[in-house]
Amino acid sequence: AQSVTQLDSQVPVFEEAPVELRCNYSSSVSVYLFWYVQYPNQGLQLLLKYLSGSTLVKGINGFEAEFNKSQTSFHLRKPSVHISDTAEYFCAVTSPGNTPLVFGKGTRLSVIA
Amino acid sequence: EAGVAQSPRYKIIEKRQSVAFWCNPISGHATLYWYQQILGQGPKLLIQFQNNGVVDDSQLPKDRFSAERLKGVDSTLKIQPAKLEDSAVYLCASSQTPGGGGYTFGSGTRLTVV
Repeated sequence: AQSVTQLDSQVPVFEEAPVELRCNYSSSVSVYLFWYVQYPNQGLQLLLKYLSGSTLVKGINGFEAEFNKSQTSFHLRKPSVHISDTAEYFCAVTSPGNTPLVFGKGTRLSVIA
Repeated sequence: EAGVAQSPRYKIIEKRQSVAFWCNPISGHATLYWYQQILGQGPKLLIQFQNNGVVDDSQLPKDRFSAERLKGVDSTLKIQPAKLEDSAVYLCASSQTPGGGGYTFGSGTRLTVV
């Protein structure tokens, strides 16, 4: 069975500082990896995804993530955060074929002015 | 394109009552999912449909939860009778193909059971 561990439940960071949200996955087969963002009282919005190819994936709003197969990680980074990035971030994993997304518990990013 | 539509946005019911949620996926999306998101946790899959057939309902509490997707388009999720622990946000998502493409989520229905 697949699983996702988001190592930090909350990450406070000052505005314009860099941030990294950590994600580790467990899977015995090849994986597809995703990061979603959830703003208050809204659904989940796709930030970026890794399906194959380059291990560095760029997404919306200046976010990027790097797939590291040896460390089974898919950490999310942004070089300079804004107040508007305050939200809940979810890492998710699936596999090729008809398997559903499995989500981590989420990391709450709080950007401080 | 229009997104995934869900209704109602909010619902408050007493325990042991019944409730139903509705989802209209993106046009042409064959795969539809219902997720339950309890406060402070990540979404958990309840059921996955491919067209109007069930692909995975292994985590659906079938003694009280039911779901259908008639004609392979809209879907309804029902809870009867509701328990306090059913308080959560119920998210509907759809995808053109299962697996790698990523899903489009609706805004969810926030259920409070009192």
